[in-house]
Amino acid sequence: EVQLVESGGDLVQPGGSLRLSCAASGLIFSTYWMSWVRQAPGKGLEWVANINQDGSEIYYVDSVKGRFTISRDNAKNSLYLQMNILRAEDTALYYCARARYTYGSVHFDDWGQGTLVTVSS
Amino acid sequence: SSELTQDPALSVALGQTVRIPCQGDSLRTYYASWYQQKPGQAPVVVIYGKNNRPSGIPDRFSGSSSGNTASLTITGAQAEDEADYYCKSRDNSGNQLVFGGGTKLTVL
Repeated sequence: EVQLVESGGDLVQPGGSLRLSCAASGLIFSTYWMSWVRQAPGKGLEWVANINQDGSEIYYVDSVKGRFTISRDNAKNSLYLQMNILRAEDTALYYCARARYTYGSVHFDDWGQGTLVTVSS
Repeated sequence: SSELTQDPALSVALGQTVRIPCQGDSLRTYYASWYQQKPGQAPVVVIYGKNNRPSGIPDRFSGSSSGNTASLTITGAQAEDEADYYCKSRDNSGNQLVFGGGTKLTVL
């Protein structure tokens, strides 16, 4: 059974930084693309970032480019999201998800339970 | 990036069929995937690719696409299908991903 467990969410002031982690088990982590997806309170889902198997391909939603950095450590079966210059609009539940590229589409077939980031003074 | 547009809310009578549409230019090139999210829970993929259901998803869920519109159809809706449904696809560049705004489905 695949398990994705996020951690690192916290209350942080605007302009601050936070590092999220996602510990993966039950899968050969190094063979999958991984993603971060967020959901602001009472709002819809928003894709944040993708990283390929060896970290050589990385993509971000425009609103976090230059502020967030996705990375992974395959030896530790872990995914990370370094979040800098945080804004109030970054407040959300952040999910780690496994991304599957199949049939000309990308879908997320496993999700964690999320870690809450609150940006407020 | 491109946008995906969904109706904010739809309703269906118990046992009836409902189609949940998702519109966007990138859907002319890329398939959508569909996610069901119930309150307090993480999303679950119900349809991906042309019309593929993950293991454990009932066969009353199906997907289709025509032009710039992808659709999720629930044939014989059950009370447990009441949830938020999100479509997702790639943007026109193929590198970024985008979710629709979500449709809140009520089963009457």
